[in-house]
Order: sequence, then C-alpha cells, then structure tokens
Amino acid sequence: DAGVTQSPTHLIKTRGQHVTLRCSPISGHKSVSWYQQVLGQGPQFIFQYYEKEERGRGNFPDRFSARQFPNYSSELNVNALLLGDSALYLCASSPNPGNPGELFFGEGSRLTVL
Amino acid sequence: AQSVTQPDIHITVSEGASLELRCNYSYGATPYLFWYVQSPGQGLQLLLKYFSGDTLVQGIKGFEAEFKRSQSSFNLRKPSVHWSDAAEYFCAVGAATGGFKTIFGAGTRLFVKA
Repeated sequence: DAGVTQSPTHLIKTRGQHVTLRCSPISGHKSVSWYQQVLGQGPQFIFQYYEKEERGRGNFPDRFSARQFPNYSSELNVNALLLGDSALYLCASSPNPGNPGELFFGEGSRLTVL
Repeated sequence: AQSVTQPDIHITVSEGASLELRCNYSYGATPYLFWYVQSPGQGLQLLLKYFSGDTLVQGIKGFEAEFKRSQSSFNLRKPSVHWSDAAEYFCAVGAATGGFKTIFGAGTRLFVKA
C-alpha cells in the first residue's frame, strides 16, 4: 500500500515568492496535517484538515494557508516567502482525527529560500 | 499550554547497551503520548503510543515506554541497542483542545558506537 506522498521533494525559492506543496494521504485516511520542521528542531504544527474543513491551526502567520480536496489530498501554500521559511515541510495523514497524534508521515518537501 | 521537553539533545550508547530517552510533558488533561523516530532524510515513523490503560506500552523495533502521571514523564527504553537504531527520536503529546494537533519535543539524537 502506498504511504503518504509529498511533492516536490526539494525546491528552491527566492524571498517574496510563493510556494505550493502537495500531499496525498494514505488511502482511506480522511485527515491531513501539515508540520514545519526547521533544522535541529522538532516538527511544529501548522494545520489539520478533516473532511475538507480546517480543524486546527498552529501559531503561523496568515501567509500560510492550506486546503483539502474531495479526494482528501491537500495543498499547503506559503506567500511572500522569508528566509526563515526554509525548512522541511511534513505532511501526515491520520485514520482517525479523534485520536490526535496517531500520524503517518510523508518524507517531506525541503524548501530552501534564498 | 501544552508542551514537551526532551532534556537530552544527544545521547551516545554502545551497541548492545540499554537505552533510556527522557520525555516530560505538560498537559492539563489525560494526555495522548507518542514516540516517533526520524532517520536522516526521512519522515517520522511512529514507534509507540499511549492513550489509556496499562502504563507500560510496547512498540515496534523492541522499544517500550512507561507513562508516569506523577512525574509527567513518558520515557522510552530499549534493553539492547542496535547500530540501526541511530536516529532522531521525538516525544509528542496529542492535544484535542482548540482543534486537533500534536506537539513535538525538540528531539534527542541517538548515536550508537561499535
């Protein structure tokens, strides 16, 4: 069975640009969460979506947005990129959002902002 | 506010020796607790979880963890470490308030020496 897939795996952007990251959850999983992992730190929660609705939001600026599609895949958008947005962006799917934390992660999209 | 503390940034153990990674959490209600492992360049994999019941939980790869409410701790243990266990380990708490989110500690890097 396919796990969580993310694209692209690596990308380089310049300050002020925007970026779209994509995630396909495990088949049957209806919840998708996004995390930012800066080098040397633990993942920081950005968003959770379930059944196309936002169910949770972390402490990130409005430059960060996301959405979930009818097939449960998801996009994370970041506008007006800053150098500090350079990080590994992880997507995770969950079979049951009622048990927060039981997450299945993709390998991430590594974003470098120059 | 919920938080997770992993006091040890890195730990070095000899192959075959026992391992204990420390984790302390702060959460007002009964926590959902997790340990994840991250190998270089990869996403996170769930090792084990605690929701309720028996305070000693068994996970994959021979790991176990013990929940101690009085100490707000959830330490990870393994009786005999293998070289392939070298990785970053993250303790996490699942919070079901204000939306669903998982809060991760900063991680402990495990080095295994021959």
